[in-house]
Amino acid sequence: GAVVSQHPSRVICKSGTSVKIECRSLDFQATTMFWYRQFPKQSLMLMATSNEGSKATYEQGVEKDKFLINHASLTLSTLTVTSAHPEDSSFYICSALGEYNEQFFGPGTRLTVL
Amino acid sequence: AQKVTQAQTEISVVEKEDVTLDCVYETRDTTYYLFWYKQPPSGELVFLIRRNSFDEQNEISGRYSWNFQKSTSSFNFTITASQVVDSAVYFCALSDFSRDDKIIFGKGTRLHILP
Repeated sequence: GAVVSQHPSRVICKSGTSVKIECRSLDFQATTMFWYRQFPKQSLMLMATSNEGSKATYEQGVEKDKFLINHASLTLSTLTVTSAHPEDSSFYICSALGEYNEQFFGPGTRLTVL
Repeated sequence: AQKVTQAQTEISVVEKEDVTLDCVYETRDTTYYLFWYKQPPSGELVFLIRRNSFDEQNEISGRYSWNFQKSTSSFNFTITASQVVDSAVYFCALSDFSRDDKIIFGKGTRLHILP
């Protein structure tokens, strides 16, 4: 089956620094990838849709200047949390859209901002 | 508007009991997908099933079964003879074609299987 990886799996950073999370589709090409955020004991909330070669589409309430998304190739999308603060601490999950409109989810990245 | 409601926040059952997780959805689209995912403590989402709106047949996969009722907009999930390894958070989700494949998740049901 299709595999999506995320790197890093865990990251701890100081407040004010930027953190980059990578999402890769390992055995298929994905024109579209999605980024979700999940706070503890809550559901997954879609943050943005990442489209290869074009600007990401952000959901209402998500700051595009804070959460920078780059989808530079058909197998890689990156999410950069700029000037991270403790309230950005969360579990970030990406997914990649497969050939038959199935979403394949990555294993998630746990971000802790001190 | 699209919405997925999982009214059961948390359920505890003793091992070997059967348990049903409820899911009710709302959508204006006639064409949509429904999903169930399992999220164990590790956090990784495990895909369980995708069902399209045209297929109302119930599905059985081992100890898992799903009951799709369009008339009541429900897509319930039953685990038969539950096991401790079934303990996890289970999410029901909806994706309809008008939202460019975006998935809307319910709030999840935390299932505890007690030994």
